[in-house]
Amino acid sequence: EAGVAQSPRYKIIEKRQSVAFWCNPISGHATLYWYQQILGQGPKLLIQFQNNGVVDDSQLPKDRFSAERLKGVDSTLKIQPAKLEDSAVYLCASSLDGVGGYEQYFGPGTRLTVT
Amino acid sequence: AQSVTQPDIHITVSEGASLELRCNYSYGATPYLFWYVQSPGQGLQLLLKYFSGDTLVQGIKGFEAEFKRSQSSFNLRKPSVHWSDAAEYFCAVASSGGYNKLIFGAGTRLAVHP
Repeated sequence: EAGVAQSPRYKIIEKRQSVAFWCNPISGHATLYWYQQILGQGPKLLIQFQNNGVVDDSQLPKDRFSAERLKGVDSTLKIQPAKLEDSAVYLCASSLDGVGGYEQYFGPGTRLTVT
Repeated sequence: AQSVTQPDIHITVSEGASLELRCNYSYGATPYLFWYVQSPGQGLQLLLKYFSGDTLVQGIKGFEAEFKRSQSSFNLRKPSVHWSDAAEYFCAVASSGGYNKLIFGAGTRLAVHP
C-alpha cells in the first residue's frame, strides 16, 4: 500500500513570496490533515478535511494560508505572502475517517525555509 | 483545553539499557493517547495507542506504554534500547468524542550511545 505522498520535499523562498505544497493521501482515506511543525515543537494541526469539506481550520492563519481539497483526494496548502516565522516542516496526514480513534498516517513532510 | 507535556527534551541512554519516556496530558474526559516516532527527514510513525481496556499497551519495535488515569500519564517504555531507536518521540492526545484532532507534546529526542 502506497503511503502519503508530499512534494516538494524542500523549499527555500524569500519573505513575501508565495509557495504551495501538494499532498496525495492514501487511497480510500476520507480525512486529510495539514500540520505545521516548527523546529523544537510538536506538530500543530492547521486544517482538517473530511472528503471535500473543512471540519477544523481554527489554527490556520487565514490571512495568508489557504488550503483546498478538490474531489476529496489531493490537497494543496498555500502560503501568500510568506513570513520568516513560517519556516517549518509541513506534514500531511490521512486517515480512513475523521472520528476520534482512527490512525493517522503521515507523509515525509515539506521543509520550508523563509529567508 | 487539551494539552500534552513531555518533561524531557533530550535523553541519552546506552545501547541495551532500559528506557522510559514521560508523558503527561490534560484532558477532561477519557482521552485517546498515542506515541509516535520521527526519524530524521521522515514523517511520524505510530508506535502504539490507547483507547480503552487494558492500561498496558504493546506496540511495534518492542515498545510498550502504561496509561495511569490517577497520574494523567502515558509513559513509553522499552526494556532494551537498540542504536536504531535514536529518534524523536512524540506523545499525543485526541478527543474521544469528536473529530480526530491530535494535540502533540513538544517531543523527546533520544540519543543512544554504543
